[in-house]
Amino acid sequence: GESVGLHLPTLSVQEGDNSIINCAYSNSASDYFIWYKQESGKGPQFIIDIRSNMDKRQGQRVTVLLNKTVKHLSLQIAATQPGDSAVYFCAENMSGSGNTGKLIFGQGTTLQVKP
Amino acid sequence: DAGVIQSPRHEVTEMGQEVTLRCKPISGHDYLFWYRQTMMRGLELLIYFNNNVPIDDSGMPEDRFSAKMPNASFSTLKIQPSEPRDSAVYFCASSLYSTQYFGPGTRLTVL
Repeated sequence: GESVGLHLPTLSVQEGDNSIINCAYSNSASDYFIWYKQESGKGPQFIIDIRSNMDKRQGQRVTVLLNKTVKHLSLQIAATQPGDSAVYFCAENMSGSGNTGKLIFGQGTTLQVKP
Repeated sequence: DAGVIQSPRHEVTEMGQEVTLRCKPISGHDYLFWYRQTMMRGLELLIYFNNNVPIDDSGMPEDRFSAKMPNASFSTLKIQPSEPRDSAVYFCASSLYSTQYFGPGTRLTVL
């Protein structure tokens, strides 16, 4: 069946370095992908999204890359800060419409930022 | 906007009791989602509504779970009777277009 999975459960980086969090997806029909950040005791917070007609999208200190050939999604965080420490989830829209509908979440990657 | 509001934030109950979780979506949003999060299973979509109508409830674990959305500004998730395996954090999210915005969650503990 379809699944969204993350390659690494925990990523530890030095403050100031760049972080790269990876995600694999299996449904080639999905056309919308989202990254969420979840801090301890809080709900997931939207970071950035990308549609399948794009390969790259940039936000403030974050970049999402989409490789449809290998069904791979990555989140890059520039100049990682202690406040970036959290669990990061990728999510895949299963409706195929890019609109709201089922989001299937990966298991999450814990990002630890060392001072 | 205050964002998605959920209540209670914490709920501790005994097995067999009825539990009702509440959600107020962001004003103007027409989709509402209920999720459950556990360490073992991660984030699971339980049910979602569009314009107050349930669209997909295939994620609801069993008949003990029910959800309603009587109007655009309120939804409930009810568990009756509750069991220890229902212990989890339950999130409500709402959206207007593609991006879902999550509430702070309700941490449910069933003893």
